[in-house]
Amino acid sequence: DTGVSQDPRHKITKRGQNVTFRCDPISEHNRLYWYRQTLGQGPEFLTYFQNEAQLEKSRLLSDRFSAERPKGSFSTLEIQRTEQGDSAMYLCASSSGTGRGNTIYFGEGSWLTVV
Amino acid sequence: GQQVMQIPQYQHVQEGEDFTTYCNSSTTLSNIQWYKQRPGGHPVFLIQLVKSGEVKKQKRLTFQFGEAKKNSSLHITATQTTDVGTYFCAGYGGSNYKLTFGKGTLLTVNP
Repeated sequence: DTGVSQDPRHKITKRGQNVTFRCDPISEHNRLYWYRQTLGQGPEFLTYFQNEAQLEKSRLLSDRFSAERPKGSFSTLEIQRTEQGDSAMYLCASSSGTGRGNTIYFGEGSWLTVV
Repeated sequence: GQQVMQIPQYQHVQEGEDFTTYCNSSTTLSNIQWYKQRPGGHPVFLIQLVKSGEVKKQKRLTFQFGEAKKNSSLHITATQTTDVGTYFCAGYGGSNYKLTFGKGTLLTVNP
């Protein structure tokens, strides 16, 4: 499968614990995005990487959230001291190119439940 | 900040009926994209519209971009059960990277 891959697909954690999600984008896609989606809502932008550089971060991304893309390939999203409000599906997406309007390919998402 | 609104939030139709969802942005968009998300699935890119007044068709689906590039619509002719899902519009406003999504329209089709 050459699509965007996310791991784990589901995670249940206790409040206060840290969690990390991994995303492997489509090979050779230089752009990588993280979005968050809750039930009944559209995906909300969290952050964006062009190669290894994190170029934009949403105000939704509090200081408990950190994302990295160390070698410009896979990316990780870590949530520290999880809260119940963090329960959501975390979507990774990738695209190629440099301008606007490139097709964005989403992964199947990582579901987080904080209990 | 930029807001993208969609109506209706839900639409239930009988198989064979037509369906339309509308998208409005608070700011002018450089382009607009449409995605479909099946229940339990992830958003899948359908199409992108770039030009003012542009109309594109994909089989039974017709997409329009408004003249002012602030609104768009998706029309499905003769719905089928395979059309079930949530349809999202999304657009770039001031940012080159941040795609802002609407809340989507959930379509259910009664066979």
